[in-house]
Amino acid sequence: EIVLTQSPGTLSLSPGERATLSCRASQSVSSSYLAWYQQRPGQAPRLLIYDASSRATGIPDRFSGSGSGTDFTLTISRLEPEDFAVYYCQQYGSSPPLTFGQGTRLEIK
Amino acid sequence: QVQLVESGGGVVQPGRSLRLSCAASGFTFSTYGMHWVRQAPGKGLDWVAVISYDGSNEYYADSVKGRFTVSRDNSKSTVYLQMSSLRAEDTAVYYCAKDRGYCSGGRCSQINYWGQGTLVTVSS
Repeated sequence: EIVLTQSPGTLSLSPGERATLSCRASQSVSSSYLAWYQQRPGQAPRLLIYDASSRATGIPDRFSGSGSGTDFTLTISRLEPEDFAVYYCQQYGSSPPLTFGQGTRLEIK
Repeated sequence: QVQLVESGGGVVQPGRSLRLSCAASGFTFSTYGMHWVRQAPGKGLDWVAVISYDGSNEYYADSVKGRFTVSRDNSKSTVYLQMSSLRAEDTAVYYCAKDRGYCSGGRCSQINYWGQGTLVTVSS
């Protein structure tokens, strides 16, 4: 089973700043089959990025994903107030089981 | 538009059973794999189970294997999660979620739609 470790656990930034979130896998993720999800308080998760770097339908272009192998990054270029939420990475290259990272909380500084 | 509506959650005693349902609409249900993912209060996402588009393959997390069963009725566009021998650590919001692909032979894609979840509380 692939274990995903996200860092940092909490990221404190101000609107307009750039956010960089990391997801590291315990072994190589096949074909960069890695996704990123956003979860706002009281809501279900929402798909942002799939296949490591492809934006899901309707996702603003300030969100971008990169990486391959064991190291992946989600970047939010200019933070908007609605971007403060919890972000999860998930791999589906070696599934099942699908595995999630433990999450990064993005909070307003 | 894609809609996934879970039902069946509630308070149940340890050791008892509960069945969750998820009614799907807005897409061709019979051509997509379907997942259950849970989230304990204040915790992260925890994948539970998946069933292939035609119901021929099912896979489970080790933590629920032998206790939970996923099934689907494509004529009703509904997926189910039968939970038995429930434990306190099964307390969570349970989300029904749609895979982007078939999930055939264990090859799943990313989850592209989620329901709003149903809360299961296991307590005496």
